[in-house]
Order: sequence, then C-alpha cells, then structure tokens
Amino acid sequence: QVQLVESGGGVVQPGRSLRLSCAASGFTFSSYGMHWVRQAPGKGLQWVAVIANDGRDKKYADSVKGRLTISRDNPKNTLYLQMNSLRAEDTAVYYCARDAKLGAAIYHFDHWGQGTLVTVSS
Amino acid sequence: EIVLTQSPATLSLSPGERATLSCRASQSVSSYLAWYQQKPGQAPRLLIYDASNRATGIPARFSGSGSGTHFTLTISSLEPEDFAIYYCQQRSNWPQVTFGPGTKVDIK
Repeated sequence: QVQLVESGGGVVQPGRSLRLSCAASGFTFSSYGMHWVRQAPGKGLQWVAVIANDGRDKKYADSVKGRLTISRDNPKNTLYLQMNSLRAEDTAVYYCARDAKLGAAIYHFDHWGQGTLVTVSS
Repeated sequence: EIVLTQSPATLSLSPGERATLSCRASQSVSSYLAWYQQKPGQAPRLLIYDASNRATGIPARFSGSGSGTHFTLTISSLEPEDFAIYYCQQRSNWPQVTFGPGTKVDIK
C-alpha cells in the first residue's frame, strides 16, 4: 500500500534553515507529481509546492517563493523541502502528498503522510 | 486568488442523519473541486475529486455535486466515523490552488 513518511521537523530559530524529507513506498514514485501542503496549528490547509514526476518542473505558493525549495530523488524514492530564512508564520505541520493522477499533476492529493511539525521560534 | 467559502462552519447532527455541506468559490472553478475529510491528529483524506468523482475506497454514502461557483458534499446517512472536519479545495487556477476554511461535523 502507498506509504509516505515525513521527517526532519523540529524547533528552529527565525532566519535559520531546515530540510524536510518524505520517504515514499508502495507505488512507482517516479510516475507521480508530489506536493507539500502545510497546516498551521488549529488552522486550515495551505498548498506549498509541487514537483513534477521527473523533477524538471517546480511550482510554489507565492508566500514561500524564494525561501522554500522542493526537490526529489527518484532512485531513493524521497521528496525533500529545503526551508530557508524561516519565519514564525512558517510554523505548521508539513504534509507530503501524492498527486491524484499518474503523470502530469492535477493538484488533487490522494495520499498523504502523517506530517512533521516545524516550529519557528526564538 | 480564488477564495473558497464553506458553510456552515459547524454542523451538529446525529448518526443516521443526512449531512449537506456547501462550498462556494469567488469565481468559477469549473468542476475542478475536491473534498477532503480530516480527523483530529490525522492527515486529510481525499473523498471526492473533480466535483463528483469518489476517490478509491470511499463509501457510496459520500457524494459530491456542483460546478462553477457552488458545490455540495452530501453524506447520505452519518456513521460514527464521519464526524470530522471537511475541506473543499480548488485546482482551477493551478499552481495557486486554495482550500476552504472547513466545516466541522460534530455529534448533536
């Protein structure tokens, strides 16, 4: 069965960096676009970034452009989110999510990891 | 940015009752709308995609309808495990996809 397991969250000071990972299994990772979606404590969901199945195309929410970078390693079945210049408003649970369609992403999310909490605080 | 508004914010119902949740978009999203269920401490789960298509493994009591700016998620007869928060999400103007604020379905 499809499994997505995030790691790398923690407490970090404003302005510092963090890298999240998402280990995928149970499906052909290189065939799907992958996303990061975040949820601030007690709040709703916010889409963060997407990467195409081959890693060539990446898109970001306006609020994170220039600070967060999505990447993937298909041979390792792993998705990453490099988070730089972190701000208090980046505090959230970060979920990796698989796109619902094989091939080109359609921006619906059919499988989610359990999430990893990032807290930005001094 | 396309803004999604969900109503009501909270829906208090008893098991066995019918639940009707609304999602309205600030501009047309065609049929590019999904519904997710989230329980406390868990990740969201995809229920419906492209307005009316049930995702794999989703029970038939969940159905979606609508197009353009007004969408509805219906749960025909609430089971105890259906009490949760439900979010709608549009993908019409990708990559700037957005979610609604959620409707909480709780036990009356």
